Amino acid sequence: NAGVTQTPKFRILKIGQSMTLQCTQDMNHNYMYWYRQDPGMGLKLIYYSVGAGITDKGEVPNGYNVSRSTTEDFPLRLELAAPSQTSVYFCASRLQGAEGYTFGSGTRLTVV
Amino acid sequence: GIQVEQSPPDLILQEGANSTLRCNFSDSVNNLQWFHQNPWGQLINLFYIPSGTKQNGRLSATTVATERYSLLYISSSQTTDSGVYFCAVKETSGSRLTFGEGTQLTVNP
Repeated sequence: NAGVTQTPKFRILKIGQSMTLQCTQDMNHNYMYWYRQDPGMGLKLIYYSVGAGITDKGEVPNGYNVSRSTTEDFPLRLELAAPSQTSVYFCASRLQGAEGYTFGSGTRLTVV
Repeated sequence: GIQVEQSPPDLILQEGANSTLRCNFSDSVNNLQWFHQNPWGQLINLFYIPSGTKQNGRLSATTVATERYSLLYISSSQTTDSGVYFCAVKETSGSRLTFGEGTQLTVNP
């Protein structure tokens, strides 16, 4: 039982490049979330999903896209990377009806 | 949306000291959690505590939902307690967790 696995752990992108941050969980959790954490700040919700095929915007969705084709996977896509997207990205999951969130170890992204 | 305020923003302690961290929130919640982010960035769930009091070793937490605040107590602090402590809440009418800005705790030997 690996929990929530995020890849890659680190990445440097050039302005205008695109990439996908991967998130996989093996706990059969139906709820999944993407957060970003800027230096010295709390976490802000980008997108979330309540189950396969269902996604919804959070507080800061601009510049990102997500998909949820399976229960296990919730990739986050950055199109046309900008310096403002330099941040640490966390994926999390939980089971409907349970309140504990499980977080991945994060992806540190730098856009230069 | 709901507002979450944590205080103090920074706290420096000597090993062995006790501390209290506070979380105020602006609306009714049905989910409140405390997290510890260690110096390596890992987020660890400490408590799920939408109301009442819980204890886990040297840590305890109390939430007074009617007055919209929660307290995290750390007793006999250790250097490994250093890091950022986050409070996160979910509005009764909502479906997502909103985080506060955190309290940066440094415990010196």
